[in-house]
This record gives sequence, structure tokens and C-alpha cells, in this order.
Amino acid sequence: DAGVTQSPTHLIKTRGQQVTLRCSPKSGHDTVSWYQQALGQGPQFIFQYYEEEERQRGNFPDRFSGHQFPNYSSELNVNALLLGDSALYLCASSVGQGEVETQYFGPGTRLLVL
Amino acid sequence: AQSVTQPDIHITVSEGASLELRCNYSYGATPYLFWYVQSPGQGLQLLLKYFSGDTLVQGIKGFEAEFKRSQSSFNLRKPSVHWSDAAEYFCAVVGELTGGGNKLTFGTGTQLKVEL
Repeated sequence: DAGVTQSPTHLIKTRGQQVTLRCSPKSGHDTVSWYQQALGQGPQFIFQYYEEEERQRGNFPDRFSGHQFPNYSSELNVNALLLGDSALYLCASSVGQGEVETQYFGPGTRLLVL
Repeated sequence: AQSVTQPDIHITVSEGASLELRCNYSYGATPYLFWYVQSPGQGLQLLLKYFSGDTLVQGIKGFEAEFKRSQSSFNLRKPSVHWSDAAEYFCAVVGELTGGGNKLTFGTGTQLKVEL
């Protein structure tokens, strides 16, 4: 049973560019959450997708956007990259029904903005 | 809003010694709590979770955690640490999203070093 997968593993971009990160959830999971982990910090919630809709976003600007596809995979897009966007981006999948979900994380995509 | 505090940024223990990592949470309702471990350059692996019931929960790799409502704590323990346990450990509390679903609020992590 494959776990959560993310691509690419590493990415280098320059300021002002745009980036797209991809995530495939665990088999049987229908919900995808995205987190940003800056160096030396805990992960911060960006947003969550369920049934192809964004449920809610954390304290991140509109430069951060996402999408969920009918097969439950998801993309995170970041426009107009800033140096401060350099971080590990983590995707987590879960089953979206029930009171509390257990989120399982992928290996992350490390983004470096120069 | 919910929050998590991990008071110890770094902890060093000798291999074979016992370990306790502290976690304090702030949440108005019944908390749902998790511990995750992150090896260098890796994602997060779930160690254990507390939803309800028995306040002592067992996890993978010999870890356990005890939920103490009176102290707003969810400390992680291991009786005998192995060198492979060296990693960063994150405590997290679940918060509800207004549109349904949950998000995790993490502490800043505790970096564990194991001396041989």
C-alpha cells in the first residue's frame, strides 16, 4: 500500500517565479492538507482540500493556491515567489469523514528560492 | 485558538537511558493530540495519537504518551532510547475547520540527540 507521495523532492526557483508542487494521497484517502515548514519551525497549515473544494486556509496570502483533482490528488501553486517562501512543503492525506481525521504525511518537497 | 508548546528545543540522552519529551496544549474543547517524528530531510511519521479513552496510549517504536487533562499535557516517553531515535519530535493538536475537517497545529519541535 503506497503512502503519500510528493513531487518533486527538491526545487530551486528565483524570486518572482511560480511553482507547482504535487501530492498523491494514500489509497482510500479523499482529503489533502498542505503545510509549510520553515527551517527550525513546526509545520504551518496552508489549506485543506476535500471533494475538490478548499475547506479553509491558514494565514497565507492569495499567492498560495491549490487544486484537488477527481482522483483526490492535489497541487499547490505559489506565485510571485519570495525568498521567505523557501521551506519544506508537506502534504498530508486523510479520510474526510468522521469527527477527527488522522493525517499521514508525505516526504515533502524542499523549495529553495534564490 | 488552539496552541502547542514544546518547552525543550534540544534534548540529549545516552543510548539506553529513558526519555521524556514535554508537550503542553491549549484548546477549549476535548483535545485530540498527536506525536510525529521527523528524521533529517524527511516527512513526518505518526508515532501515536490520543482521541479519547485510556489516557496512556501506546505507539510505534516503543513510544508511549500520557494525556493529563489537569496539566494540559501530553508527554512522550520511551523507557530505553536507541541511537536510531535521534530525530525531531513534534506534538500537535487538532483544530476544527469552519468548513468541516480538521487541521493540525504543531509545536516548534524538540530535537533529540542520542549519545552512544
